[in-house]
Parts: sequence; structure tokens; C-alpha cells
Amino acid sequence: GQNIDQPTEMTATEGAIVQINCTYQTSGFNGLFWYQQHAGEAPTFLSYNVLDGLEEKGRFSSFLSRSKGYSYLLLKELQMKDSASYLCAVRDSYSGAGSYQLTFGKGTKLSVIP
Amino acid sequence: DARVTQTPRHKVTEMGQEVTMRCQPILGHNTVFWYRQTMMQGLELLAYFRNRAPLDDSGMPKDRFSAEMPDATLATLKIQPSEPRDSAVYFCASGPESGLLEQYFGPGTRLTVT
Repeated sequence: GQNIDQPTEMTATEGAIVQINCTYQTSGFNGLFWYQQHAGEAPTFLSYNVLDGLEEKGRFSSFLSRSKGYSYLLLKELQMKDSASYLCAVRDSYSGAGSYQLTFGKGTKLSVIP
Repeated sequence: DARVTQTPRHKVTEMGQEVTMRCQPILGHNTVFWYRQTMMQGLELLAYFRNRAPLDDSGMPKDRFSAEMPDATLATLKIQPSEPRDSAVYFCASGPESGLLEQYFGPGTRLTVT
């Protein structure tokens, strides 16, 4: 099974940097995803890590440590539009049934204030 | 602009009624997922298909829920009979090649069972 933990809520100031942590305990691991979800909308893909280290994509970066079961999403130069929930998701190892599946954390609601 | 479509976007029904939700995956995607999202439980996987074959529906209450893919352009999720605890947002997502890459989510169906 999978157990994924992330903070429920965070608040940060416009223009600042915020780090959203995610820890996981899984029976299998084949990658970690971050999704952004604005209120009332669908989740959208932000980043993917399968090897240890930092992946940078514009203002967003994601880090993974497989030995620690730990990831974080780093958002720089925060903008008001970054107010959303951020979902951490772990992909299982290949199931043998022909596909993979994601298990999602409950999400971190980020509020960006002026 | 390829995207996953879902109908209806909103559904209000009375307890005991049948509910059918439909999803059109992105053309060429061979993996389709059904999720349910609530405040308490977050995003939960209900079922998923690869090349129209059901691979895992262990997250779905079998006595009342059923998921099918009559063809490559249509996935359905049915609840019969519906109960108030089924009230949630139901998302469909599709992905290329067995979900190796990110999943693309539809806009969701917001279901309210009274």
C-alpha cells in the first residue's frame, strides 16, 4: 500500500519562495508527480521525478530523495495565481497487469497573500 | 487542443436513482482512469483501463458502481443505486502508453445525491 503525507495548508507572501514537502511510504515506487489544482478545477501536471535530485521548470522545482521517501515542490517568485492545492502523487512499480497507477496525497492548500 | 471531456459537469439526483457519468479520453491515449475526490479522502482511484480492458477496479464499491469502456472514445461510470455518501467530484483522466507519462484530467462531474 501507499501512505503519502503533506501539510494541509500553507500561506506565503507574493514574491516570496515557498517549499511544500511530501513524505511517502510505499510498497513500490516508480516515480513521484506533483499536480496543481485550482479550486473547482481539474488537477494539472507540474513535475515528475524518478531519480534523486532536483528538477527545475521555470519558477517551479521539484526534489526527490528515494532513500528518505521525501520530495518537495519549490515555488519561486510567488504570484497570486499560484494560490491552489498542490497534490503529491506516487506511481507504483509496474504491476504486471500492463499498467501503472498513481496514489495521491490529500493535497496542500497554498494561499498567496499580497 | 486535445483534452479530456466529461459529461455532465454537474448532477443532482435523489438517493436510489441511477447515475451515469461519461468521459471521452484524449485521442490516442490508451489508459483511462476514474477518480473520486472529496474533502475528507482527497483524490481516490476507483478504476482504470488499458486498451479498453479493465485492469484494476479494487477501489470501487462493486455492489453499486460499475465502469466500462464500450469503445476507445468513451468510458462510463455508473452508480446504481446512488447514496448521499457518493456525493463527490468524479474525475476521468487519460494517459499515453500505460500511464508512463503524466495523466491528463477532465473537468470532472460534480455529483450531489440528496
